[in-house]
Order: sequence, then C-alpha cells, then structure tokens
Amino acid sequence: QSALTQPASVSGSPGQSITISCTETSSDIANYASVSWYQQHPGKAPKLIIYDVSHRPSGISDRFSGSKSGNTASLTISGLQADDEADYYCASYSNTVTFDWVFGGGTKLTVL
Amino acid sequence: QALLVESGGGVVQPGGSLRLSCADSGFTFVACPMHWVRQSPGKGLEWVTVVSTNGVNAYYADSVKGRFTVSRDNTKNTLFLQMNSLRRDDTAVYYCARGSPGWSFFDSWGQGTLVTVSS
Repeated sequence: QSALTQPASVSGSPGQSITISCTETSSDIANYASVSWYQQHPGKAPKLIIYDVSHRPSGISDRFSGSKSGNTASLTISGLQADDEADYYCASYSNTVTFDWVFGGGTKLTVL
Repeated sequence: QALLVESGGGVVQPGGSLRLSCADSGFTFVACPMHWVRQSPGKGLEWVTVVSTNGVNAYYADSVKGRFTVSRDNTKNTLFLQMNSLRRDDTAVYYCARGSPGWSFFDSWGQGTLVTVSS
C-alpha cells in the first residue's frame, strides 16, 4: 500500500506565498507523474485545482501552481487570500497490479 | 459545468445494506470513468471504487472489497454503489466523482451524501 504524506497544517498572511508538500513514501506508485491537488472548504465537496503535477483546470487562478521533484510534489499558492483558507489534498494512483487511488492525509491552510 | 447529484444516504444498522445513486446532468458521463470517494467525519478523503466507461471493469479499495459493488447505467447517466455488510467504520460522506478520460484525476465532484452506520 502506497502512502502520500502531507504536513498537517500550514499558515501564511494575506499576500504571502505558501507551499504544501506531498511525499510518496512507497515504491508502488508506477505513475506518480499524475499527482493532482484538491481544495476543500468546510462542509463542501473537494474541487480539483491541479492535475498531472502542474496543470490547472479552466477557471482556476494562476495563483495556484504545482511542481514535482523526485518523490515529492508541491502545491504553491501565491498572493494568499482569505478564501484560500481550506483543506488541501494531494492524490495519485497506482496501476502496477491493479488500479488503486491514494490521497494524502490533507493539509489545513490557515490564512492569518 | 454539469452537476453530479448523489442520493440514497441515511442511517443503517451494522450489517445492513444501502444503495447510493449519483445522477450526472452533463453530456460526458458515458465517456468518463466514475469514482466513489468517502470522507469519515473529521477525517481525510478515501478512494472507494471506480468503474470503467462501459461498466465492465471495476476496482475497489481493500477496505470495501467483497462488500461494495459499483455499477452504472449509461442510458440514464447514473452511477450506483451497492453497499452490503455495512460496518460502523463505513460511516462517511460519500462523494461521486467524474474521472478524467486518462483515469489520472478526479475532474468534478458531487456534493456528497451522508451514510451513518449505527444501531
């Protein structure tokens, strides 16, 4: 079973930039290039904000960006706004023996 | 963007069954794999299952394998999740999510339906 590890919480002030990491801690992920990121406000459904490491869906602000180095993917949010306060999840999947999707544990972003 | 609307949640006793539905109001349902993802109260997201576009292939998380069955009706743009032998730790909000054509991410999500397993 693969695992994606995220920090439990990060914080930043309005206008600042923050980065959330997502580290793959197993060798089972055959296609870790397909990391995606989701934003979830309290009581709401998750929303896709980054797919395939660094691509933004239509309508997502360019303040959100993604990258990957080795076994660690990162989500960077620049120009922090109050509405960015939410939980953020990374996800990836394994297609070695069977299809299996994994989420990181989630990171709570607090805008100070 | 097309909406996904889940229904069928509720309170069920341990060992009981429940069937969830997810209606897709868009025009791409038949072209997309469809997932169920759940979230226990106060916890993170957990992938549950995915079904291929034609409904032939399905994959499950180990935690639900043998108890849950996913299916779809492409004539009605509807996804289903039959949940049997429910356990207390199945208590969660269940989201349906439209998969990307390349299977690599969850493109859009429904609002979720709450399943509570309790006596």
